[in-house]
Amino acid sequence: GAVVSQHPSWVICKSGTSVKIECRSLDFQATTMFWYRQFPKQSLMLMATSNEGSKATYEQGVEKDKFLINHASLTLSTLTVTSAHPEDSSFYICSGAGTEDYEQYFGPGTRLTVT
Amino acid sequence: AQKVTQAQTEISVVEKEDVTLDCVYETRDTTYYLFWYKQPPSGELVFLIRRNSFDEQNEISGRYSWNFQKSTSSFNFTITASQVVDSAVYFCALSELWGGSNYKLTFGKGTLLTVNP
Repeated sequence: GAVVSQHPSWVICKSGTSVKIECRSLDFQATTMFWYRQFPKQSLMLMATSNEGSKATYEQGVEKDKFLINHASLTLSTLTVTSAHPEDSSFYICSGAGTEDYEQYFGPGTRLTVT
Repeated sequence: AQKVTQAQTEISVVEKEDVTLDCVYETRDTTYYLFWYKQPPSGELVFLIRRNSFDEQNEISGRYSWNFQKSTSSFNFTITASQVVDSAVYFCALSELWGGSNYKLTFGKGTLLTVNP
């Protein structure tokens, strides 16, 4: 299967700072990338969908000014959590899909802890 | 209403028991895809199987088997002779066309399976 990497795998930051998470498709072109958030003992919740070169589409209830998504190339998307707060602590997972591909390929996730 | 329902929140079995994880889905599309993923404590999602809406054949892969029934909108997953390493959270997911060209995945809430030695 196709491979997606995420960096960093875990990060601890102080409240009020920003943190950037990278998502890379290593062996395919990800026309579309997805960002999910998973709180402990809960399911994955889609935060936003981005098509390469376009603005991201955010799910209802997700603050677009707080979670900045950039998908500038077919192999890289970034999620920046701005002015992070402890309630933003979560497991963030990205996935990529090719053009009209019904299947998404998931990264290993990034565990964010805001102190 | 949930699009993907995994009614079993937690299941606990003893090693070598068979266990079935239930998944019921809801969609108006005629073309859709169903998936099962395993999420061990490390957090990384492990793909187990995909099935498209036109293929109702059951599938077996080693100790794993899947039963897809469109008539009841169910896609159940059975582990035969469970092992401790099967302990994980298992997610069922539905992929539907959205926005014309993108497919969107909707996950169930997951079932935590604990296999005790």
